[in-house]
This record gives sequence, structure tokens and C-alpha cells, in this order.
Amino acid sequence: QVQLVQSGAEVKEPGSSVKVSCKSSGSIFSNYAITWVRQAPGQGLEWMGGIIPLFGTAIYAEKFQDRVTITADESTRTAYMELSRLKFEDTAFYYCARAGREYQLLSWSDPWGQGTLVAVSS
Amino acid sequence: DIVMTQSPDSLAVSLGERATINCKSSQSVLYSSDNKNYLAWYQQKPGQPPKLLIYWASTRESGVPDRFSGSGSGTDFTLTISSLQAEDVAVYHCHQYYSTPGTFGGGTKVEIK
Repeated sequence: QVQLVQSGAEVKEPGSSVKVSCKSSGSIFSNYAITWVRQAPGQGLEWMGGIIPLFGTAIYAEKFQDRVTITADESTRTAYMELSRLKFEDTAFYYCARAGREYQLLSWSDPWGQGTLVAVSS
Repeated sequence: DIVMTQSPDSLAVSLGERATINCKSSQSVLYSSDNKNYLAWYQQKPGQPPKLLIYWASTRESGVPDRFSGSGSGTDFTLTISSLQAEDVAVYHCHQYYSTPGTFGGGTKVEIK
């Protein structure tokens, strides 16, 4: 059974960067996309982008294109999401999730990581 | 981007009664080459990540109780809880994975009346 375990909560100042990790266990890592979705407090889910580790090229939502970098390390079965030039409105839970279909970025997501709270505060 | 609109924003249903949640996409998510609707439903309880319930609009994920069902095609979809249980109190999200960026509905909060 696949499990995704994310890094811990972060408090960051505006203008800085944050890097969240997502470690996978239990099944094939490289063939399944890892996507990143964020959820501001009391709000809906927002797709940020994703990567298929085997292919190594990330796809981003246009809204985050110039600020987010998603990478994956096959040797450690870990995916990363780095968000730069943080703003107060980036305060949110950030989730990683595995695609349900092999070799496809466009897929339902299952399972999800436990979420990482990133708080942007001065 | 495909816009997903859920209704209602919240609903209160008596235990054992039916709950119906609607999701409408701004363009069709039915892929003609495989005749599949690229639509999923998730359940999210407070303090937890979303949990997959339904994919391909109507395929129930393994282990999900059969009181949960998905229906619809093209642009209009429905998640039905046939007999609401106390443990079903949650927010429900629809999600299209037809095109990037994958987009989600705003969520529907289900409570006990």
C-alpha cells in the first residue's frame, strides 16, 4: 500500500522561499505522477502542478509558473515542491498526491500526503 | 482552464436519508476516444487530506461503501449518498482531470440535520 509522508510545518517571511518534501513508500515510485495541490484555510483545492519521476519534466499551472519548481529524486523516492517569492496569500496546506494511472499526469489522485502547513508571516 | 461549479455549497440531511451533490464543468470532460468522463470525487474530513471516492465519474474506489455512487456525463455530474451515516459528515470535492490544470469544485459541506 502506497504511503506519502510530507515534511513538517513551516513559517516563512514574505519574499522568501519554502521547499516541501513528499516521501513515497510501498509501491513503484517512478511510473506514477506526483501532483501538488494547495488549500488555503477554509477554501477549496487548487492544483499547482505535477511530475512523473521517470520522465523528470514538471508541468505547472499557469498561475504558479514563475514561482514554483517541482522535482523528484528516484533514488530516495521523494518529490519536492519549492515555492518562491512567498506572499501572505500563500498561507495554506500543501498536499502531495499520487496519480491513480501509470505514466499519466492527468489522473485522479490517490493516496494523498498528510499535508504541510506553510504560514507566511512577518 | 475548466471551471468546476458545485452545488449546493452545503446541505443538511437526516441520518438514513439521501444526499445529492451536483458538479458542473464549463466544458465537457468526456474524452471521445475512450468514451470516459475524466471526473473524480473526494471526501475530506476536518483536519484530514482528501480521500478518493469515485473516478471515471462512476467507478467506486476499492473499500468505499456502496452507499456512495457517481453519475453523469459530459458537463453534469452527481454524487449521491443513498443513506447518510454519521461518519459521512465531510466536505465533498469534484475534480476534472481532462486537461491541465486539473481543477476542483469549490466543495460541498454535508452535515446532519
